[in-house]
Amino acid sequence: AQKITQTQPGMFVQEKEAVTLDCTYDTSDPSYGLFWYKQPSSGEMIFLIYQGSYDQQNATEGRYSLNFQKARKSANLVISASQLGDSAMYFCAMREWGRDDKIIFGKGTRLHILP
Amino acid sequence: EPEVTQTPSHQVTQMGQEVILRCVPISNHLYFYWYRQILGQKVEFLVSFYNNEISEKSEIFDDQFSVERPDGSNFTLKIRSTKLEDSAMYFCASSEDTGANVLTFGAGSRLTVL
Repeated sequence: AQKITQTQPGMFVQEKEAVTLDCTYDTSDPSYGLFWYKQPSSGEMIFLIYQGSYDQQNATEGRYSLNFQKARKSANLVISASQLGDSAMYFCAMREWGRDDKIIFGKGTRLHILP
Repeated sequence: EPEVTQTPSHQVTQMGQEVILRCVPISNHLYFYWYRQILGQKVEFLVSFYNNEISEKSEIFDDQFSVERPDGSNFTLKIRSTKLEDSAMYFCASSEDTGANVLTFGAGSRLTVL
């Protein structure tokens, strides 16, 4: 069964607009963490933001914020004031603390920022 | 900023040949991982390694694959007899701990099997 679902294979957004990348997850473990990684065309995986299942507040890192809705099992990434350099593949990932130490990834969303 | 380094960045090999991909994790990290990404597809977990042994492996990680940490700094992935379908980007990652700790990824090693 799919643990991480990213329903948007691709998105086009005008520069300077805000963008929301969707992520839903499936787990029965009460303790888990959610991650977002960016993969530019050069191929490296860049960590963006983390949200723990027990965190009371939504995580923020600069222009990135995570809209965490625990009851709905969603962890959407919001990028404010998008820039051309934000064009990349974005992966949502999850680690279930009670099971193992690996993280598993969704299929990703390719974001294109238009000038 | 500390980083995970991987070599080679790109390797081309003939089907059936052995390949070793090398990684130097961040020095104070204790958990090590290999992931692979076939072109245009999702990033797939291969294996995790802790305390000098495999802690978990996926069904992709069959008998053709092995990992070791021979000298306390390098972490290697060996593919014994490469197949065409092994062509992918292979990412090494390390983490200081589990739970909330972030996996830091290397830049990847692109393997092309002809």
